[in-house]
Amino acid sequence: EVQLMESGGGLVQPGGSLRLSCAASGFTFSDHFMDWVRQAPGKGLEWVGRIRDKADSYSTEYAASVTGRFTISRDDSQNSVYLQMSSLKAEDTAVYYCVRVLGGGYCDHWGQGTLVTVSS
Amino acid sequence: DIQMTQSPSTLSASVGDRVTITCRASQNIGSRLAWYQQKPGKAPNLLIYQASSLESGVPSRFSGKGSGSGTEFTLTISSLQPDDFAAYYCQQLYRYPLTFGGGTKVEIK
Repeated sequence: EVQLMESGGGLVQPGGSLRLSCAASGFTFSDHFMDWVRQAPGKGLEWVGRIRDKADSYSTEYAASVTGRFTISRDDSQNSVYLQMSSLKAEDTAVYYCVRVLGGGYCDHWGQGTLVTVSS
Repeated sequence: DIQMTQSPSTLSASVGDRVTITCRASQNIGSRLAWYQQKPGKAPNLLIYQASSLESGVPSRFSGKGSGSGTEFTLTISSLQPDDFAAYYCQQLYRYPLTFGGGTKVEIK
């Protein structure tokens, strides 16, 4: 069974940093691209970014709203993907989902999410 | 960025109704579109990919269709069931940054 478990969320002050982790199991993690998607309270879904696999040099893509502030990385030996967030703003407050990407680029399995609250 | 516009934003319907949600892209995205269902407090669930392909395990009452222009897409639920009252989102996967529609909430009439 595919499982994705996010951790690391919490309360952080504006301008602060936070690192989210996502532990994957139940599939060959190294074969898959991975996404982060967020959802502000009561709002819709917002794609944050993607990290490709080793064959694609672990290259990344980001939404404009987080470019330069967020960094996605992965450790295939630990079956984990990370989201390093810095210069956090109130508008970054959201539930952050870790998502597995299929070969066609579609997101077929989502974690349960971790809440990040940016507030003083 | 490619803008995805969903309509309606809210839809009130009864069990057994046929419902259709529309998603329009600001440019041609071919068939690079997915539909997701999200229930309150839960993560989204993939329903449809490549505009019209049903994800494994998803009931056949769900179907997706694209227009020939690559800009207009529909999600249809042929006979609404109690489990289908949820929010639905489209997502384009044609070009980065990937973008979602604003969502459609299907409510009980």
